[in-house]
Amino acid sequence: KAGVTQTPRYLIKTRGQQVTLSCSPISGHRSVSWYQQTPGQGLQFLFEYFSETQRNKGNFPGRFSGRQFSNSRSEMNVSTLELGDSALYLCASSPSGSGNTIYFGEGSWLTVV
Amino acid sequence: ILNVEQSPQSLHVQEGDSTNFTCSFPSSNFYALHWYRWETAKSPEALFVMTLNGDEKKKGRISATLNTKEGYSYLYIKGSQPEDSATYLCAFYTGTASKLTFGTGTRLQVTL
Repeated sequence: KAGVTQTPRYLIKTRGQQVTLSCSPISGHRSVSWYQQTPGQGLQFLFEYFSETQRNKGNFPGRFSGRQFSNSRSEMNVSTLELGDSALYLCASSPSGSGNTIYFGEGSWLTVV
Repeated sequence: ILNVEQSPQSLHVQEGDSTNFTCSFPSSNFYALHWYRWETAKSPEALFVMTLNGDEKKKGRISATLNTKEGYSYLYIKGSQPEDSATYLCAFYTGTASKLTFGTGTRLQVTL
């Protein structure tokens, strides 16, 4: 069974640009959640999607957005990038939500210069 | 704001030592407590999801206990091996907020 796949794995963007990250969950998983990891910080919850609906959102500005498609694949978008957005972005999937085990992808490393 | 705290921040032990870490979380609105192991350059790997007060779970040399009334969980590693070197994360899930709140982790290094 294929795991959670995130693309791209590494990318460099310039301040002010926007970026889209993609996540393909484990087959059959309907919940996808996104996390940000910056140096010295724990994993910070961005949002969770379930069956194409955003179920919850973390404390991030409106520049961070996401969506989920009918095949459960998810994308997150960050507009007007700032230097502080440089981070590892992790996607996780689960059959029904974060109350149960979630399975992480390897992440997308974003560097903003 | 939910606060999940882990201690110690880092730990350096010799091969064969047994060790334990602590995760503290709010005792109200508890739904589940997760433990993950995160090795460098890999994705976090689920160890345990614990839901019941007094729960004890075991996976090989790793075990965990849960006290929801006082808001803490312990993770134990018996006879540490170099391959146990990783960051161990706990995460608290409250049904009311429907999201996982992670601690900053305990970084374990096991040397020969």
